[in-house]
Amino acid sequence: QSALTQPASMSGSPGQSITISCTGSSSDVGDYNYVSWYQQHPGKAPKLMIYDVSDRPSGVSDRFSGSKSGNTASLTISGLQAEDDADYYCSSFTASSTVLFGGGTKLTVL
Amino acid sequence: QLQLQESGPGLVMPSETLSLTCTVSGGSVSRNSYYWGWIRQPPGKGLDWIGSVYYGGATFYNPSLKSRVTISMDTSKNQFSLRLTSVIAADTAVYYCARQNRAAAGKFNWFDPWGQGTLVTVSS
Repeated sequence: QSALTQPASMSGSPGQSITISCTGSSSDVGDYNYVSWYQQHPGKAPKLMIYDVSDRPSGVSDRFSGSKSGNTASLTISGLQAEDDADYYCSSFTASSTVLFGGGTKLTVL
Repeated sequence: QLQLQESGPGLVMPSETLSLTCTVSGGSVSRNSYYWGWIRQPPGKGLDWIGSVYYGGATFYNPSLKSRVTISMDTSKNQFSLRLTSVIAADTAVYYCARQNRAAAGKFNWFDPWGQGTLVTVSS
């Protein structure tokens, strides 16, 4: 199974908004609303930021939002802050009862 | 508050078996709302799902690892474990355990929380 496709890197200035895409297929992202997003700072475990495409866990800033169109899911971060500088990974359940992760996007806050 | 902690050897010889245990505190692995999963991350690379287990015994594995992986659960110790046989250098990674939400029978989605991770190096 191939990883979900994410841009390798993105950057933005404080206060700006950025959107990270996550492209899969009709057997994973396109077929289930089981897409989640994780934030990972260097040397730390991943942290759940968005689940079920667009739901936010308690305690996660409302600057983070998720959406999906067809086989592509997106994570939008509005009002970029220095602390958002991290790696971001998407994940999806698949029709084969497995889990796929994206290759990860390194977000740099300039 | 639910916490997970990975434990096991940090160094494994090539061709041998990697064995890790995840100890869960602050909650029970027997709750029917959750699966329990293993994920790994090679140095400098992305996340890779290894597999997940349900307290009823059901297991699901990454097809690329399925022939070498076994995930099991010990409800009496509130733990679940990973065994990976015939390891090679490419199995060197930080290994994470995590709770995984059960969306429906045979369907699972998000991971939360995660353990802190443990680095396992495969080398002679």
